[in-house]
Order: sequence, then structure tokens, then C-alpha cells
Amino acid sequence: SYVVSQPPSMSVAPGRTATITCGGNNLGSKSVHWFQQKSGQAPVVVIYDDSDRPSGISERFSGSNSDNTATLTISRVEAGDEADYYCQVWDTSSDPWVFGGGTKLTVL
Amino acid sequence: EVQLVESGGDFIKPGGSLRLSCVAAGFPFSNVYLTWVRQAPGKGPEWLGLIKSKIDGGTTEHAAPVKGRFVISRDDSKNTLYLQMNGLKTEDSGIYYCTTYLVGGPIWGRGTQVTVSS
Repeated sequence: SYVVSQPPSMSVAPGRTATITCGGNNLGSKSVHWFQQKSGQAPVVVIYDDSDRPSGISERFSGSNSDNTATLTISRVEAGDEADYYCQVWDTSSDPWVFGGGTKLTVL
Repeated sequence: EVQLVESGGDFIKPGGSLRLSCVAAGFPFSNVYLTWVRQAPGKGPEWLGLIKSKIDGGTTEHAAPVKGRFVISRDDSKNTLYLQMNGLKTEDSGIYYCTTYLVGGPIWGRGTQVTVSS
């Protein structure tokens, strides 16, 4: 089955840029969504289809996907961005939806 | 407003059955594929299965851990997605979400809690 991997954690100071990666074989040929999940809350999609931003999501969130890596970038990080971030990939070769293990973002 | 609202979660003993519902609003329900995802405590999300739109056959796919025990269905007249869960195990405990993909991106419900314990 298809597997995607994320770093389990990262920390960033307020005002700096956070870059969260999602790696998988030939990931650039697939569609990647990113969602944010704060403690005890439901997931919120922050990026879909590699780089599109849903209505209401801050422009500080952006995404890209090429080769074997998809990237979620959060600019000018704020305390309220502290959350778990998951990538999600549509893959028809096995389970259609595949999730990364999540990256816990800590704002210092 | 576009939304998905899950219900039906409960505290249940191993071996029991439960049916979850997910009511949709704000979009053409019959045209979309619908998916169930669960999240165990402290874990990442896990895809459980999907059901296609009727126009694409209305067929279902289920993940290996739940195949043969869980059944996904839909009632387009009620804008409702279902998850029938039989033979529940303690490892089935978690929050269950319904989700779909629309033009403006994926949307998720708020989830419903299922606890399987003796």
C-alpha cells in the first residue's frame, strides 16, 4: 500500500516560517490535501489539491507538491497555528485515502 | 451553509452493533462521493471506506480492518450517509467523521464518538 511520511514534530518561533513536509513515492503525480487539527477539535482543511486554499483560510498558508515531496508552508507563524498537521493523499492503488502520521507544530 | 453532521456514536460493549448517520446540507448530495474516516485517541486519521455517487454506480469500498464488519450506505432522498458497524472491537473506539470533496475543497463533519469497552 502507498505510504506517506511526515516529521513527527517541529517547533518554530512566532513570526517565522514553518515548513512541513510530506514524502511519498512519486507524490508529485498525486493530489495532496493538508488539514490542521487542534487539540480536541475536528480537522480543518487548510490546503487542498496541492496548493489551493479554502475560503476563510489565511493567506499565510500555502502548499506545493513536486517529485516525491509535498510541502505546507505557514508564514508569519502565530500562537494560534499550534496544532497537528496531516497530509492526505488520494491513491487508487490501495486504500483510496492515505494519511501521513501527522506533524505536531509547536510555537515557541 | 455547507455542512456535514454526524450522529449515532455511543458507548457499546464488544461484539455489539451501531449505526452512525451523517446528514449533509448546502450542496448537491447525490452527486458526490462520501467517505468515513475515524481517529483513535492520540492517533492519526484512518480511512474506513467510501461510497460513490449513484451516477457512478453507488458502489462501496471498505478498508481491510473493517471489511466484512462495517457497511457504508446512503439515502440520497434524505441527504444522509450511514455507517453500519457490526462485531465491534475495542480497537474500533474513536471519533468517526464523514467527509466529502466539493469544488471548494474537502469538508469534514465534527465527528461522533464511539467507545467500545466491556
